[in-house]
Amino acid sequence: DMKVTQMPRYLIKRMGENVLLECGQDMSHETMYWYRQDPGLGLQLIYISYDVDSNSEGDIPKGYRVSRKKREHFSLILDSAKTNQTSVYFCASSWGQGQDTQYFGPGTRLLVL
Amino acid sequence: GQQVQQSPTSLVLQEGENAELQCNFSTSLNSMQWFYQRPGGSLISVFYNPSGTKQSGRLTSTTVIKERRSSLHISSSQITDSGTYLCAMGSSNTNKVVFGTGTRLQVLP
Repeated sequence: DMKVTQMPRYLIKRMGENVLLECGQDMSHETMYWYRQDPGLGLQLIYISYDVDSNSEGDIPKGYRVSRKKREHFSLILDSAKTNQTSVYFCASSWGQGQDTQYFGPGTRLLVL
Repeated sequence: GQQVQQSPTSLVLQEGENAELQCNFSTSLNSMQWFYQRPGGSLISVFYNPSGTKQSGRLTSTTVIKERRSSLHISSSQITDSGTYLCAMGSSNTNKVVFGTGTRLQVLP
């Protein structure tokens, strides 16, 4: 069963706290993505990972960093969260580098107070 | 500027009517994907259609690369079709995928 999982599903943090969002996939996909979705802005790419320790900035990487130590796991880290990072975060994976079907996780709703 | 434009931004239909959703892109592409998203839900791939026409049940997607557009046709709409439809373009220049802001579809009984 092809699946992308995300943990946690909901998270409330105070400004300045660190945030760790986890993503896993069971399809051995090489490429994984982190997006955020905000009303009126659609999905914006934060980071893309082409394989273990092969990460590249997306369109809005500022304030975020990522870690991929295993092919099936991709983490998004917010060091000292800001209120404008309140959003819904989606992880996705695909076989290739953007030219293949992307499979999305269920999303994480993050509220930064 | 915005590389992917979707139209209309919202659409209200009576059950049984057809819908035509458009996606226009400003740069050359090498992939096109349509997604469905229920309010508060995740994105579900509807079509991966970089060129030509694909059909699945009541849904048909047509991508014309030369004209830089893709469409999603929903025939005989049902209440359960309600949600947001997003198109995503894979750029041949950057290898990244760019999303449109979506068309919000509401099908009424």
